Amino acid sequence: GQQVMQIPQYQHVQEGEDFTTYCNSSTTLSNIQWYKQRPGGHPVFLIQLVKSGEVKKQKRLTFQFGEAKKNSSLHITATQTTDVGTYFCAGWERGAQKLVFGQGTRLTINP
Amino acid sequence: GAVVSQHPSRVICKSGTSVKIECRSLDFQATTMFWYRQFPKQSLMLMATSNEGSKATYEQGVEKDKFLINHASLTLSTLTVTSAHPEDSSFYICSARDLAPAYEQYFGPGTRLTVT
Repeated sequence: GQQVMQIPQYQHVQEGEDFTTYCNSSTTLSNIQWYKQRPGGHPVFLIQLVKSGEVKKQKRLTFQFGEAKKNSSLHITATQTTDVGTYFCAGWERGAQKLVFGQGTRLTINP
Repeated sequence: GAVVSQHPSRVICKSGTSVKIECRSLDFQATTMFWYRQFPKQSLMLMATSNEGSKATYEQGVEKDKFLINHASLTLSTLTVTSAHPEDSSFYICSARDLAPAYEQYFGPGTRLTVT
């Protein structure tokens, strides 16, 4: 079945440094979604990417969807302590009609 | 944005008892709801897809008779953990899919189940 791999598993940065998490799917995706889960909380939808090569920005966050629609990345510029949490990518495979989550990247920040 | 509620937020039960968790979409109709399980510091594992008015579709390895799902209306799905055991202790999260924008899922706050 479809697998979504996400790296790194953990990332610790100094406040102000950049952060990137990468996501790879074993199959071509209809779309990919990104979620953020704060410690003790539930996943919160950040964005959805649909088009091949798509790039979207939300303030300091930049999301990319690969040309082959099998990989994606989330880049945070100049991290802040409010960015702490686990970032999940989730791929939507049309045939399966369900989201498959990556393992998540847990971001911690040294103030 | 759309809101999904879950009840209860926390529950502690004794081994062998059953626990029902409710998932509601508050301001939209959800023909499809999803039930996930999340162990500490791990990702979300899809347990089943719940469709209004029809039987749920369970993922491989998930026991249908142990995790009973009912999607009686467009705004309510329930998950019943029957004859709970300590290994069922986990964080259970539901999500609901709105019709528009397509594919966007809204997650409930989760239910922390502890079986003693």
